[in-house]
Amino acid sequence: DTGVSQDPRHKITKRGQNVTFRCDPISEHNRLYWYRQTLGQGPEFLTYFQNEAQLEKSRLLSDRFSAERPKGSFSTLEIQRTEQGDSAMYLCASSSDRGQETQYFGPGTRLLVL
Amino acid sequence: QQQVKQSPQSLIVQKGGISIINCAYENTAFDYFPWYQQFPGKGPALLIAIRPDVSEKKEGRFTISFNKSAKQFSLHIMDSQPGDSATYFCAAVYNFNKFYFGSGTKLNVKP
Repeated sequence: DTGVSQDPRHKITKRGQNVTFRCDPISEHNRLYWYRQTLGQGPEFLTYFQNEAQLEKSRLLSDRFSAERPKGSFSTLEIQRTEQGDSAMYLCASSSDRGQETQYFGPGTRLLVL
Repeated sequence: QQQVKQSPQSLIVQKGGISIINCAYENTAFDYFPWYQQFPGKGPALLIAIRPDVSEKKEGRFTISFNKSAKQFSLHIMDSQPGDSATYFCAAVYNFNKFYFGSGTKLNVKP
């Protein structure tokens, strides 16, 4: 257990529904990342927060995706009007900006869109 | 364009053998190279990492070899054990927060 928690661990939804995932990073970490991982692939970067500021978003992140980190602690990732292609593992990671590049990953939320 | 190329895609090794996984990159701005281990249903966990000013780093049975001129690095698992069976990802990082992962190697260590 790395100290990064994600909720829910699994989500099954019907196409067109909205879903929201939560990530709680390691408490002293001010950087938070969201990744998407599909079967047989490495994690792909989606977005990155430094404290509450969203500093970068991947081109993979369509306008149906939105992420927030309102108080610089936990973060949420919302997918609106889900599509079958959104089915994947959504991983959250956190790190410190004090010269430590290491990212610690949560267990992920596995999304299945029917 | 894939920033980090990883091979092989899968690997079968006998218990006690050496597992070798290779990665190559193009962008010379990368300045940190971690390896992650992932078990089914879990998130990736940091295994070992190296900076480009070092040619080798060893932690227990795990060794990273780094060849800066060839822009290649590899993970060696000595005395491989069935418990090492997992998917391994290399990554290349720059600016402390831009992580690019390889496509993964599924390792199966046979007893």
